[in-house]
Amino acid sequence: GENVEQHPSTLSVQEGDSAVIKCTYSDSASNYFPWYKQELGKRPQLIIDIRSNVGEKKDQRIAVTLNKTAKHFSLHITETQPEDSAVYFCAAYYGGSQGNLIFGKGTKLSVKP
Amino acid sequence: DVKVTQSSRYLVKRTGEKVFLECVQDMDHENMFWYRQDPGLGLRLIYFSYDVKMKEKGDIPEGYSVSREKKERFSLILESASTNQTSMYLCASSWLPGQGFNEQFFGPGTRLTVL
Repeated sequence: GENVEQHPSTLSVQEGDSAVIKCTYSDSASNYFPWYKQELGKRPQLIIDIRSNVGEKKDQRIAVTLNKTAKHFSLHITETQPEDSAVYFCAAYYGGSQGNLIFGKGTKLSVKP
Repeated sequence: DVKVTQSSRYLVKRTGEKVFLECVQDMDHENMFWYRQDPGLGLRLIYFSYDVKMKEKGDIPEGYSVSREKKERFSLILESASTNQTSMYLCASSWLPGQGFNEQFFGPGTRLTVL
């Protein structure tokens, strides 16, 4: 069935460095790829998303790239700050009209001051 | 702002009890979802509903059932709770994809402990 693989499971960086999280998906019909951030004890919240007709999208310090041919997409965070520490989930939309997302297992990002 | 609320933040139940988890959204979303979140396993879909009285099984429906009698409310039911159902349960809602919005809005979660 549909699957989303996410790597790495944990990532530790120094404040100011960049962080990259990668995901691959299995369903070539997937056309929507969101990224959610979940801070400790809080609900997941959408931070950026990309649709399959776009190769890259940027919002301040975060960017997402999509390679449809290879079926992978990545989250890039530049100039990391301690408040970027959280668990990040990628997801891929599939399933026609019912709006279903398959989530990756998450990446715990730690930004050390 | 979209608001998704869940009836309890923390719940402790005993093995064999029937458990109801309630979720309410105020944005007239068609889709509603129940996920289970466990460390290292991410978010796993239990059930979802794309309309009143409609439901679809997700990846891990065993041991659970759902009810959607009204558009704004989606209930998750554990018919006979077991210790392996101890977990964080997250509800989410979204518009139908045809309207161009696929973002899922999450509730705060219910941490269920089954003793």
